Amino acid sequence: AQKVTQAQTEISVVEKEDVTLDCVYETRDTTYYLFWYKQPPSGELVFLIRRNSFDEQNEISGRYSWNFQKSTSSFNFTITASQVVDSAVYFCALSATSGTYKYIFGTGTRLKVLA
Amino acid sequence: GAVVSQHPSRVICKSGTSVKIECRSLDFQATTMFWYRQFPKKSLMLMATSNEGSKATYEQGVEKDKFLINHASLTLSTLTVTSAHPEDSSFYICSASTGLAEYNEQFFGPGTRLTVL
Repeated sequence: AQKVTQAQTEISVVEKEDVTLDCVYETRDTTYYLFWYKQPPSGELVFLIRRNSFDEQNEISGRYSWNFQKSTSSFNFTITASQVVDSAVYFCALSATSGTYKYIFGTGTRLKVLA
Repeated sequence: GAVVSQHPSRVICKSGTSVKIECRSLDFQATTMFWYRQFPKKSLMLMATSNEGSKATYEQGVEKDKFLINHASLTLSTLTVTSAHPEDSSFYICSASTGLAEYNEQFFGPGTRLTVL
């Protein structure tokens, strides 16, 4: 069975604080892909990153960084120096071979950045 | 590139009426399209997968006769909510895939908010 767990339902931080959003996944496949999406109040999903199971390098994009650790089946997302515009719901998703590459979404983490 | 549109963005209808939502891939051919449903403060739940020219594959628990999906061309899929009731009120999101990438990368539309009175 495939599963994505985002244990943090809601996080509130003050602007300029760093915040990490956790994502733990389950799959028996050796080939799989992990994603992070941002969903602002408008509802449209904004693609942030895709990672395949063979690439464990961490990635940094501006204030965003991702830590992929296969040993703990985690793909965590850190926002450095958070801003009010970062307020949104963030979803982690898994796509794997045995699931015919359907996307399995986590339950999402609502991030509130306070001015 | 890889833009997906949905129309309408918002619709309000009376109970018992049918509503059609269109999903279009604007700059690529989508061999596969997906329809999701999202309740307030909840995650996206896959409703069905449709391949161009064939019948949609529905996820367990999704009523085929209630949610009619047509994928008539490589750029258009439609979702018709038949005899809509208040409990069908939700945010419906489509996505499209070229099928070229191994991971079946999905490009998401902006969503349609359905309110049934």
